[in-house]
Amino acid sequence: DTGVSQDPRHKITKRGQNVTFRCDPISEHNRLYWYRQTLGQGPEFLTYFQNEAQLEKSRLLSDRFSAERPKGSFSTLEIQRTEQGDSAMYLCASSFRRTGQQETQYFGPGTRLLVL
Amino acid sequence: KNQVEQSPQSLIILEGKNCTLQCNYTVSPFSNLRWYKQDTGRGPVSLTIMTFSENTKSNGRYTATLDADTKQSSLHITASQLSDSASYICVVIPQGTSYDKVIFGPGTSLSVIP
Repeated sequence: DTGVSQDPRHKITKRGQNVTFRCDPISEHNRLYWYRQTLGQGPEFLTYFQNEAQLEKSRLLSDRFSAERPKGSFSTLEIQRTEQGDSAMYLCASSFRRTGQQETQYFGPGTRLLVL
Repeated sequence: KNQVEQSPQSLIILEGKNCTLQCNYTVSPFSNLRWYKQDTGRGPVSLTIMTFSENTKSNGRYTATLDADTKQSSLHITASQLSDSASYICVVIPQGTSYDKVIFGPGTSLSVIP
């Protein structure tokens, strides 16, 4: 093991198509996060899960975006009817949340999406 | 509006030299402040985590400082190496959070040249 993995690493799609990304967190981590990052900017929070429960969604997450973590392990992020403005790096991170302790997020390598 | 600003936007230094990156924030109150290193095409990697009551935190050649009065943090890199070339991101986590409120700075792009 090794760390957080994401698949695919790159995706090129035409406007209007649907895309789905997968994230496999570090195996014992109970929290999983999705972020979006555009060139020259820091990541922006999209959503996070604790085990299989989606606890928070950003206002940035329009109804075209949906995320799941059905068994509390891997997660998928789907974007429907993609738009050119969706072009970005989509980052996944995981952490182990212990009460009273600071959690460190471990990021995956990201999936770079280009919408033509 | 809560913001995190970083300076300089980019920096070029010679291998072996020291450098200091700045982070100014308006978030208040906050729970903790973090510095991440992000290599090109990779996800960020955590360097330091400081609570509001800590003034300094080190991780090898990286030392982060925090002045809660002036709402400034700095990341000092000593004896730079070529592998330090990356973007360095300051992250402020407001108290009581809501990850929606976590604010990532735009990053400082550091290039270390031989």
